[in-house]
Amino acid sequence: DAKTTQPPSMDCAEGRAANLPCNHSTISGNEYVYWYRQIHSQGPQYIIHGLKNNETNEMASLIITEDRKSSTLILPHATLRDTAVYYCIVRLPNSNSGYALNFGKGTSLLVTP
Amino acid sequence: SQTIHQWPATLVQPVGSPLSLECTVEGTSNPNLYWYRQAAGRGLQLLFYSVGIGQISSEVPQNLSASRPQDRQFILSSKKLLLSDSGFYLCAWSPPWSLGSPLHFGNGTRLTVT
Repeated sequence: DAKTTQPPSMDCAEGRAANLPCNHSTISGNEYVYWYRQIHSQGPQYIIHGLKNNETNEMASLIITEDRKSSTLILPHATLRDTAVYYCIVRLPNSNSGYALNFGKGTSLLVTP
Repeated sequence: SQTIHQWPATLVQPVGSPLSLECTVEGTSNPNLYWYRQAAGRGLQLLFYSVGIGQISSEVPQNLSASRPQDRQFILSSKKLLLSDSGFYLCAWSPPWSLGSPLHFGNGTRLTVT
């Protein structure tokens, strides 16, 4: 699975858009990009994933560059409850590990009033 | 809808004591099941995964073992706990053979070995 690089921490003002970057320059053609977040002392929560096209759901938008070497998770109107560690993960859909994900250290997002 | 249950939420055990953490999934059949561990201030480490009853794969050598006695039940065990086994243990599931499907996590068990 391709490795990812994320900034260790970011701040965002409440009500503003939070844009979390992820670099995955070694991504291969069949690898998906996944985003999860983990609020303190809870299990990780799935946010969104994509392969090539941009994706949007009720939680966030995922923008993947045309060369797929990087992506950005966008929380359009951040709230205090969005304060969490955000993980960007790249993975083949049919890996031998039963589709397990390799979590790195992620980005700690702090949303401030 | 599918749900995942993990218990207990917190556990304090002395060194050398046994461990049994249980995870069950409802609302799906033949899920892929996973055990992860998160040490304080660190990322998640995959410990075990299972693609079917009785099929367990270990990712790292350790003092722990896993079993899957039923389709939707996944158990993490140890015969004798070590201090280094302390951490946040997470169970997760994903649909079987489903292209690109995400993992869904339980709320975790915080284990403190004293």
